[in-house]
Amino acid sequence: ETGVTQSPTHLIKTRGQQVTLRCSSQSGHNTVSWYQQALGQGPQFIFQYYREEENGRGNFPPRFSGLQFPNYSSELNVNALELDDSALYLCASSLLLAGTEQFFGPGTRLTVL
Amino acid sequence: AQSVTQLGSHVSVSEGALVLLRCNYSSSVPPYLFWYVQYPNQGLQLLLKYTSAATLVKGINGFEAEFKKSETSFHLTKPSAHMSDAAEYFCAVSEGGTSYGKLTFGQGTILTVHP
Repeated sequence: ETGVTQSPTHLIKTRGQQVTLRCSSQSGHNTVSWYQQALGQGPQFIFQYYREEENGRGNFPPRFSGLQFPNYSSELNVNALELDDSALYLCASSLLLAGTEQFFGPGTRLTVL
Repeated sequence: AQSVTQLGSHVSVSEGALVLLRCNYSSSVPPYLFWYVQYPNQGLQLLLKYTSAATLVKGINGFEAEFKKSETSFHLTKPSAHMSDAAEYFCAVSEGGTSYGKLTFGQGTILTVHP
């Protein structure tokens, strides 16, 4: 069974640029959630996708957007990067069931200069 | 709105000593509660979860946690610390309904284990 994978591992961008992060869900999972983890903080919920539709969003501006594909892989796009966007971005896959475990990928470390 | 407070951003114990990491939550409905561990440069791994069954939950690597509704707490314990337990630990809460899958995390507690 393949776990959750994310690419790239590390990324350096400059302020104002756009970035796309990718996530491959664990086999059999239909839900993907994205989290932002700033240095020294707990992860913060960005949004969740279920069967290719957004199914909940945290307190993040519209320049954070996402996609989920028919094979349940997912992308996180961030436009007009700001310095504060520097963080570890975590993807988690799961089934959409109450109390179910989310399986996390290793994350993408984004640095905005 | 749900929230999580982890008391103590750093906890230091000796190898073989009791580990106690504190977590208090706020939720408007019966919550689902989770403890995750994060090793350096890695993602999060689930240690254990509470989903309204037994209030004492046993997890991996000898960890357990007790759900206390009256105290709105879900503290994580391990009787005897091992060097390999050194990591950052996150408590998280999730509500049901339309909030399935939205985990709200605490700020984390870094556990250091001394020889």
